[in-house]
Amino acid sequence: EIVLTQSPATLSLSPGERATLSCRASQSVNTYLAWYQQKPGQAPRLLIYDASNRATGIPARFSGSGSGTDFTLTISSLEPEDFAVYYCQQRSNWPPLTFGGGTKVEIK
Amino acid sequence: EVQLVESGGGLVKPGGSLRLSCAASGFTFSDFDMNWVRQAPGKGLEWVSSISGDSIYIYYADSVKGRFTISRDNAKNSVYLQMNSLRPEDTAVYYCARADAVAVFGFWGQGTLISVSS
Repeated sequence: EIVLTQSPATLSLSPGERATLSCRASQSVNTYLAWYQQKPGQAPRLLIYDASNRATGIPARFSGSGSGTDFTLTISSLEPEDFAVYYCQQRSNWPPLTFGGGTKVEIK
Repeated sequence: EVQLVESGGGLVKPGGSLRLSCAASGFTFSDFDMNWVRQAPGKGLEWVSSISGDSIYIYYADSVKGRFTISRDNAKNSVYLQMNSLRPEDTAVYYCARADAVAVFGFWGQGTLISVSS
């Protein structure tokens, strides 16, 4: 099973700041990595798939990068609606499909 | 408009059974793999099961294998999760999710809560 480790667990930032979230895989997942955003009481929403491709309707301030075992989700300038929990997920070697433990981006 | 609407959640005693349903609309249901993903209270996301559009390929997480059964009815645009021998650790919000590419969850339902408690 591929284990995904996200860091940091919590990121405290102000609106307008840049957010950098990390996801590390226990073995290579090539670029088969996705990022999801989840707000309280809501279902997750797909942001990025295959490491760097924005999903339909996702603003350009969200970008993804990386390959192999190290991945980054960057939010270039935080908007108030971006404060949420973010999860990475791999589809390289499954079952099982696995998610990271999440990074909470909170208002400083 | 794409919609996924889960139903069937509720409170059940350990060892009991429940059947979840997910009704889909707004897209050609048989063209998409469907999935169940769960989230325990205050915890992260856990993939539970996947079924291909033609029901040929079915996969389960080890934590539910032998207890849960995924199925679909393309004529009714619905996917199901039969959950038997429920345990307290199965308590979670269960989401139905459409796979927009292989194992990429492009669209999610709003979720249905399962509580397993005596």
